Amino acid sequence: DAGVIQSPRHEVTEMGQEVTLRCKPISGHDYLFWYRQTMMRGLELLIYFNNNVPIDDSGMPEDRFSAKMPNASFSTLKIQPSEPRDSAVYFCASSTPLSGGSTDTQYFGPGTRLTVL
Amino acid sequence: QQQVKQSPQSLIVQKGGISIINCAYENTAFDYFPWYQQFPGKGPALLIAIRPDVSEKKEGRFTISFNKSAKQFSLHIMDSQPGDSATYFCAASPYRDKIIFGKGTRLHILP
Repeated sequence: DAGVIQSPRHEVTEMGQEVTLRCKPISGHDYLFWYRQTMMRGLELLIYFNNNVPIDDSGMPEDRFSAKMPNASFSTLKIQPSEPRDSAVYFCASSTPLSGGSTDTQYFGPGTRLTVL
Repeated sequence: QQQVKQSPQSLIVQKGGISIINCAYENTAFDYFPWYQQFPGKGPALLIAIRPDVSEKKEGRFTISFNKSAKQFSLHIMDSQPGDSATYFCAASPYRDKIIFGKGTRLHILP
């Protein structure tokens, strides 16, 4: 298996532009998570989906952020308009709970490093 | 109550020494406590995990110690090696719910 795939790996954009980050989870995983990592705030959960349905979006910082999961193999995180404070590494992760267990192992993608000038 | 508090923020250990990272939580509904390891330029990856029905779990040089009454758990890395230099995250999760991550500890092992 190729693991979680994210694109692009690096994105540099100017303030006010729309940014779309993409994620392909591991096949068969029914949970998908979007995280943001910065030095100041560490690893923050933005939103997560179960079976393509958003379950908890309480971590989405503001209305400029939106996420979709149109099918089991694809998700997007969109920032519109982007601001310099959105500069961070954005990770996508997927998992599938063991029977009777907790959320279990999350498999992270390599991340997208976003720089907003 | 949803927080997981991790310390120290950074840690420097001599090669061959013991690295210790501590975490504390408040939510008694947490029932799964994983540790993730992250190398520069990579995503975090599961290192080792424990459930509250045991007080210790060991995998090679890595050991989790768990104190349910104190709501604390820690990661011990024995015989620390330069290749262990990475950022370590403790985390906690209630049943079938999101994982709450600590802020991370940047570990540097001196050669």
